[in-house]
Amino acid sequence: ILNVEQSPQSLHVQEGDSTNFTCSFPSSNFYALHWYRWETAKSPEALFVMTLNGDEKKKGRISATLNTKEGYSYLYIKGSQPEDSATYLCAFKPAGNNRKLIWGLGTSLAVNP
Amino acid sequence: NAGVTQTPKFRILKIGQSMTLQCTQDMNHNYMYWYRQDPGMGLKLIYYSVGAGITDKGEVPNGYNVSRSTTEDFPLRLELAAPSQTSVYFCASSQAGGKETQYFGPGTRLLVL
Repeated sequence: ILNVEQSPQSLHVQEGDSTNFTCSFPSSNFYALHWYRWETAKSPEALFVMTLNGDEKKKGRISATLNTKEGYSYLYIKGSQPEDSATYLCAFKPAGNNRKLIWGLGTSLAVNP
Repeated sequence: NAGVTQTPKFRILKIGQSMTLQCTQDMNHNYMYWYRQDPGMGLKLIYYSVGAGITDKGEVPNGYNVSRSTTEDFPLRLELAAPSQTSVYFCASSQAGGKETQYFGPGTRLLVL
């Protein structure tokens, strides 16, 4: 059974703090790793799709790294703002004909002003 | 630029009733998906489609049916609503599977009493 785990489950930080969280996935049979941002009462929005070991992606104050050999990805938020409060989901796509993403349960981030 | 649209936004059903959740995308995407999201459970894939006329089961297909007669539309049918189907339902689409970003609709909140 393929499993994607995210940690921590939830996180509370102060405005201005930098933070990071982890997505762990099977290290064998890797194809792609997705990060999504999901605000309360909205729908998930894509942040990054990562495919190569050592990939680093950045969008504003948010960045992500990928280690396919050991099966993890980190998401970093620099100088957190209240508008960063959301659940951050990762999803793993294994190689092969299976067309489905395997989703983690997310890390819920609350940024206190 | 509509993207993925879903109707209705909210519905209350009685046990045993049936209904169809509508999903339409205007991005000419081949792949479409139906997810349900229950508190603390993350996104669960119900059904997906890789093109018009082709559908396949996801993780939790029981109690649901889908069809894909056009590229744009991917309706989800509940035949005999049960309280266990109380959830938030998200439709998503992507150009292809794997490396392609999934674009989500706004969700349909369903309450079965």
